[in-house]
Amino acid sequence: EPEVTQTPSHQVTQMGQEVILRCVPISNHLYFYWYRQILGQKVEFLVSFYNNEISEKSEIFDDQFSVERPDGSNFTLKIRSTKLEDSAMYFCASTGQTGGRGDTQYFGPGTRLTVL
Amino acid sequence: AQSVTQLGSHVSVSEGALVLLRCNYSSSVPPYLFWYVQYPNQGLQLLLKYTTGATLVKGINGFEAEFKKSETSFHLTKPSAHMSDAAEYFCAVFKAAGNKLTFGGGTRVLVKP
Repeated sequence: EPEVTQTPSHQVTQMGQEVILRCVPISNHLYFYWYRQILGQKVEFLVSFYNNEISEKSEIFDDQFSVERPDGSNFTLKIRSTKLEDSAMYFCASTGQTGGRGDTQYFGPGTRLTVL
Repeated sequence: AQSVTQLGSHVSVSEGALVLLRCNYSSSVPPYLFWYVQYPNQGLQLLLKYTTGATLVKGINGFEAEFKKSETSFHLTKPSAHMSDAAEYFCAVFKAAGNKLTFGGGTRVLVKP
């Protein structure tokens, strides 16, 4: 069964460094998302992406964050200058049909980001 | 604004006992509701979802949930817990504006032998 994959599974970085989290969505999917979960807190929406542009972003997704679909298969989340509070599990998700209300979002296994 | 509340961050059940995980939502429009499960070191996996139609929804691994509009609830149940059900369970509501899921806080299930 097709699945969303994410790399790396764990990333450790120093505060102020740039990180790029990578995701390979399911191949025929059209809508892509990033969510994050700070330890002990809710899964939070960061950004949705469709047709090579951001559909919506949350207040968390400030100028330090960016997303890109560089080659038609990968979907990346870049954090330009990491802060301690960016430490979290980051999940990528995709959905294939219309992106409508009933569509299932398929999640990857996550990347645990630790900022020191 | 939509929100999801899961009552109980941790639930402990005996193997073979009923599993009941509570989820209440607030939504200004008819909701689309989801339950996801997260096993240790894995991603979120869809258990079941309610979109339209029958209010009792059956999912994978013997789980089911019932949408009750009058109670704004979507509780998840399984008649007989198995050790493999130990995981964290998340209720979520779909928000059409922005095409995103809003999650509850999650409930971690521990199954005792």
